[in-house]
Amino acid sequence: EDKVVQSPLSLVVHEGDTVTLNCSYEVTNFRSLLWYKQEKKAPTFLFMLTSSGIEKKSGRLSSILDKKELFSILNITATQTGDSAVYLCAPQSSNGGATNKLIFGTGTLLAVQP
Amino acid sequence: DVKVTQSSRYLVKRTGEKVFLECVQDMDHENMFWYRQDPGLGLRLIYFSYDVKMKEKGDIPEGYSVSREKKERFSLILESASTNQTSMYLCASEKRSGANVLTFGAGSRLTVL
Repeated sequence: EDKVVQSPLSLVVHEGDTVTLNCSYEVTNFRSLLWYKQEKKAPTFLFMLTSSGIEKKSGRLSSILDKKELFSILNITATQTGDSAVYLCAPQSSNGGATNKLIFGTGTLLAVQP
Repeated sequence: DVKVTQSSRYLVKRTGEKVFLECVQDMDHENMFWYRQDPGLGLRLIYFSYDVKMKEKGDIPEGYSVSREKKERFSLILESASTNQTSMYLCASEKRSGANVLTFGAGSRLTVL
């Protein structure tokens, strides 16, 4: 059975801190891994990782995938209150067809205090 | 600004009522999805559709049905709502790339009394 585990479940930090969010997975026919940010409404896309060891960066956020050890991390440096959100990890399982399936973790709730 | 619009942000229904959740996207996306999100369980796929009049069951289709009569509109139907269907429902869409870079709607929070 496919499994995604995110840790920690929740995290409280102060502005300016650096955080690392973890995602481990066991997914059949793994294709890629996506990270989403969910504030109080719609999840928004952050990164898609397909290859091991290649860091993706967007401003203060970065992410990397290890396909051998089956995990990914999301780093946020110099955190701001606007980073407060639930961060969702979603490995993608390929079915070889027109659609592939995302398996979502339960998320990490990040709260950044001023 | 591209959008996925869910018609109702908050609904309260009674057990046994029929419930329609509507989702419209303006991005000409082929693939559309319905998820529910519950604390401790994450997002779980209910149904998806990759073309007009096509539908596929997701992981938890029991108690739900869907309708895709037009490309831009994907409806989730609860034929007879039950209390265990109280949840946040999220609609999403993507271009037929299979990459699963989904664009989500803001969600519909359904409470069944």
